[in-house]
Amino acid sequence: GAVVSQHPSRVICKSGTSVKIECRSLDFQATTMFWYRQFPKQSLMLMATSNEGSKATYEQGVEKDKFLINHASLTLSTLTVTSAHPEDSSFYICSAPRTGIGDTEAFFGQGTRLTVV
Amino acid sequence: GQQLNQSPQSMFIQEGEDVSMNCTSSSIFNTWLWYKQDPGEGPVLLIALYKAGELTSNGRLTAQFGITRKDSFLNISASIPSDVGIYFCAGHPRGGSEKLVFGKGTKLTVNP
Repeated sequence: GAVVSQHPSRVICKSGTSVKIECRSLDFQATTMFWYRQFPKQSLMLMATSNEGSKATYEQGVEKDKFLINHASLTLSTLTVTSAHPEDSSFYICSAPRTGIGDTEAFFGQGTRLTVV
Repeated sequence: GQQLNQSPQSMFIQEGEDVSMNCTSSSIFNTWLWYKQDPGEGPVLLIALYKAGELTSNGRLTAQFGITRKDSFLNISASIPSDVGIYFCAGHPRGGSEKLVFGKGTKLTVNP
């Protein structure tokens, strides 16, 4: 079964509104989570690293005021796309690393298809 | 930034055939992970590799962590139609954080 749950899977919003996407780790705690954006037929592009209890770290070129990240608990990170515009339409995916003894596995959420109209 | 070179970019095969894809890097990686992504879904972890030379199987899938720690391959034996999808390699660079570096993906098409 899924170890990382992402919600919603699809959302359509009007231009200018904000959309919140949730990412939850199931059965394990994640002090760090990652948010990706994926364009059609391309690989995943890391947007930001979500850090529990502290500010997110954004990749170069990603507007932090546009993509607000909150990691308020050890099992939940949220990405809010503020004042969405059609160019923000994309597939957004979160991931959470689960660390064991000597290994780390990264699990992904189901993804969120955002369409801004 | 660091990149993984994944090949081939796409493959068209007949059901029952074996498939092989690989990833290489110019720098050393501590882990190699192979994922499959279906349309409209997030990537699903297939195999995780942690030691140089490690060979791991998951059903019809087999993956190996290269001895030099700069490459990995994924083999799929006796392909079936549901193997269709995009396969990504990913890894944690040596000395890096928990950030994953991804390959560009291999799109697999299986003809019945």
